[in-house]
Amino acid sequence: EDKVVQSPLSLVVHEGDTVTLNCSYEVTNFRSLLWYKQEKKAPTFLFMLTSSGIEKKSGRLSSILDKKELFSILNITATQTGDSAVYLCAVPGSSGTYKYIFGTGTRLKVLA
Amino acid sequence: NAGVTQTPKFRVLKTGQSMTLLCAQDMNHEYMYWYRQDPGMGLRLIHYSVGEGTTAKGEVPDGYNVSRLKKQNFLLGLESAAPSQTSVYFCASSWDRAERGTQYFGPGTRLTVL
Repeated sequence: EDKVVQSPLSLVVHEGDTVTLNCSYEVTNFRSLLWYKQEKKAPTFLFMLTSSGIEKKSGRLSSILDKKELFSILNITATQTGDSAVYLCAVPGSSGTYKYIFGTGTRLKVLA
Repeated sequence: NAGVTQTPKFRVLKTGQSMTLLCAQDMNHEYMYWYRQDPGMGLRLIHYSVGEGTTAKGEVPDGYNVSRLKKQNFLLGLESAAPSQTSVYFCASSWDRAERGTQYFGPGTRLTVL
């Protein structure tokens, strides 16, 4: 059965800290892994990763994939209160490439 | 360009009542999805559509029906609402299959069934 597990479930840090969020997956015929940020409403797309070892970067956020060990990490450096959100990880399911399997998310709270 | 919109934003129903949630996208996407999000459960796929006139079941389809009569619209119906259907519902669309393209999400509908 396809599975995506995120850790930690929640995290509280202070502004300026660096955080690492984890996503491990079990899916047959892996194709890609996606990260989303969800504030109060709709998830918004952050990164799509398909190849091991290639870091994707956007400002203070970066992500990397390890296809051998079946996980990805999302790093946020110099955190700000605006980074407070739920971060979701998703992979296309094995049974068809129309469907994503989502993790339960990591809730990040950044204190001023 | 509004992206993905959902109506209504909030709704309270009594057990047994019916309602329809409307999702509209203006990006000419082929694929559309309905998810529900519950605390500790993440996003779970209810139904999806790979094009106008097509629908298919996701992980948790029981108690819901969908229709995609026009490419830009995807409707989610609850025929006889139950308290277990209290949730936040998200619609999403994408231009290509999951392996090739990301999904764009609507703002969500918060549904409470009493």
